[in-house]
Amino acid sequence: AAGVIQSPRHLIKEKRETATLKCYPIPRHDTVYWYQQGPGQDPQFLISFYEKMQSDKGSIPDRFSAQQFSDYHSELNMSSLELGDSALYFCASSSGLAKYNEQFFGPGTRLTVL
Amino acid sequence: GEDVEQSLFLSVREGDSSVINCTYTDSSSTYLYWYKQEPGAGLQLLTYIFSNMDMKQDQRLTVLLNKKDKHLSLRIADTQTGDSAIYFCAEPMYSGGGADGLTFGKGTHLIIQP
Repeated sequence: AAGVIQSPRHLIKEKRETATLKCYPIPRHDTVYWYQQGPGQDPQFLISFYEKMQSDKGSIPDRFSAQQFSDYHSELNMSSLELGDSALYFCASSSGLAKYNEQFFGPGTRLTVL
Repeated sequence: GEDVEQSLFLSVREGDSSVINCTYTDSSSTYLYWYKQEPGAGLQLLTYIFSNMDMKQDQRLTVLLNKKDKHLSLRIADTQTGDSAIYFCAEPMYSGGGADGLTFGKGTHLIIQP
């Protein structure tokens, strides 16, 4: 079965640079979520989109922005990168029709900021 | 967000049962979830329980919910080496509907002794 696809899988950036992470949800899923997981930490919810509209917002810094496109893929744009942004970034998708809002997670993008 | 608490480590012998505990704070959560994360991998939904249930069994997994005490547990019967992972309990950040992000506990590292 198709899973959530994230690209790139690994990314190395310098401080103050920008990064763009991409997420391709499971086919026919209309909802996308972004999470950040620091080393040894639990995942922290950043933001979600339903049917291309921003739905909920968590602890997303102002330096980050995200959007969901007409084909339901999503991109997380990160500017003025800081050392503390080094983390694993997960995208998850779900179907708005699902009873219990099961979120299927992608393999993550490991971002290292030097 | 709400606080979800778990103990950090649990060590069990292969073949024994593992019981991972979690306390949560939001009594209005509609669903509660258990996720598994293997090293360097994404999060895999193991099971979930609806808030009006006390117990749910799914093969080797048993979930118990004590809503009065806001206590959730995951029992893994006949623990195998492949069960070695970090287990996160999670609850919706808001109402549990729509594109709700999840609040995760800190995760319990399950260590299997031969």
